[in-house]
Amino acid sequence: QKEVEQDPGPLSVPEGAIVSLNCTYSNSAFQYFMWYRQYSRKGPELLMYTYSSGNKEDGRFTAQVDKSSKYISLFIRDSQPSDSATYLCAMSALDTGNQFYFGTGTSLTVIP
Amino acid sequence: DAGVIQSPRHEVTEMGQEVTLRCKPISGHNSLFWYRQTMMRGLELLIYFNNNVPIDDSGMPEDRFSAKMPNASFSTLKIQPSEPRDSAVYFCASSFELDYEQYFGPGTRLTVT
Repeated sequence: QKEVEQDPGPLSVPEGAIVSLNCTYSNSAFQYFMWYRQYSRKGPELLMYTYSSGNKEDGRFTAQVDKSSKYISLFIRDSQPSDSATYLCAMSALDTGNQFYFGTGTSLTVIP
Repeated sequence: DAGVIQSPRHEVTEMGQEVTLRCKPISGHNSLFWYRQTMMRGLELLIYFNNNVPIDDSGMPEDRFSAKMPNASFSTLKIQPSEPRDSAVYFCASSFELDYEQYFGPGTRLTVT
């Protein structure tokens, strides 16, 4: 079983739709959760990060962590064509020497 | 801040040739990571360093791959000899500490013919 599972998509939505992207994980020690956005032919860029459980909002983006279910989500409100990219989740246990674990990424296209 | 710098951005080489990829991490970051990304396998961690010391190289696919970090501002990933299946985008990332958020460079797109 992989440490982090992510549906690869592709996901296609009309402009203005609410998008939900999700990852599940198996390691209950994970405490630090991140979402990266990767445009075509570019490096991943950090979009949001959260510690432990709960929600974090930043503009049109909301990151949600449910540690009891080992499930994290990224919601995009009022999606725009510029949101078209691949979204990768990542997580770590925040213990010294622990590495990050990345999902495989979900490809999103927002249609004008 | 200039961000993570990688060179070259594109590399096309013939099978059997040596390839050297270079990375300059963000100043002040003490952890550096090398990843490989393909459509089939996604983002794979190859090796990472903390304070210039390799911590885990279990992701390096074969002995043909080697990485060094001679100082805090420079790292190399070498493939010798290269093979067509090494064709991928290679990313370098750095972070303030080992478990903190990572910042990625623009990547090197390697094509081995």
